[in-house]
Amino acid sequence: GAVVSQHPSRVICKSGTSVKIECRSLDFQATTMFWYRQFPKQSLMLMATSNEGSKATYEQGVEKDKFLINHASLTLSTLTVTSAHPEDSSFYICSAIGGTLSNTQYFGPGTRLTVL
Amino acid sequence: LAKTTQPISMDSYEGQEVNITCSHNNIATNDYITWYQQFPSQGPRFIIQGYKTKVTNEVASLFIPADRKSSTLSLPRVSLSDTAVYYCLVGGGSSNTGKLIFGQGTTLQVKP
Repeated sequence: GAVVSQHPSRVICKSGTSVKIECRSLDFQATTMFWYRQFPKQSLMLMATSNEGSKATYEQGVEKDKFLINHASLTLSTLTVTSAHPEDSSFYICSAIGGTLSNTQYFGPGTRLTVL
Repeated sequence: LAKTTQPISMDSYEGQEVNITCSHNNIATNDYITWYQQFPSQGPRFIIQGYKTKVTNEVASLFIPADRKSSTLSLPRVSLSDTAVYYCLVGGGSSNTGKLIFGQGTTLQVKP
């Protein structure tokens, strides 16, 4: 149990375009999902907390208009990187908690974004 | 959220037991202690979680002293495939949003 998936696993886009990343909890209802970013050889950095049916809470320094988060259902959250630039190239990882698993975050496999 | 401190790196050999200790002096009453393993270009994988005393599962043990200001992850008989970064995190209790703040983790290198 406690499986979280992400799609796509990797994406390459041109500068100025927008990219959407999906995060799904496959076998549990995720009341809360989290989005992280990880640069090479660095730790995970929390970007935002997403609760189903409400606006996401962004960490300090994360631009909410650039990183749009939608948590429309208990199994799906999306992160849209708008007007992507090369500096947005990174590894994006989501995680989810919910139900009997409310004390444990389970992570997706990550999405590698490369902006040319 | 409580800050955690772990060794940046550790080396071991196949078949040895590895113990990674994490300090979390400011742990809150409702906080759990959770350890994750991460391989390059993959999301963190849950290893074990505990609140106090000792917890054991099929892959690891977690030792937590009575004051809960530290914890030790024990990996029995490591293999080359255990080479990874190990993160100790504190939080997730009902008193907060479930947020976890990652530190630098411990890079474990297992040698043949």
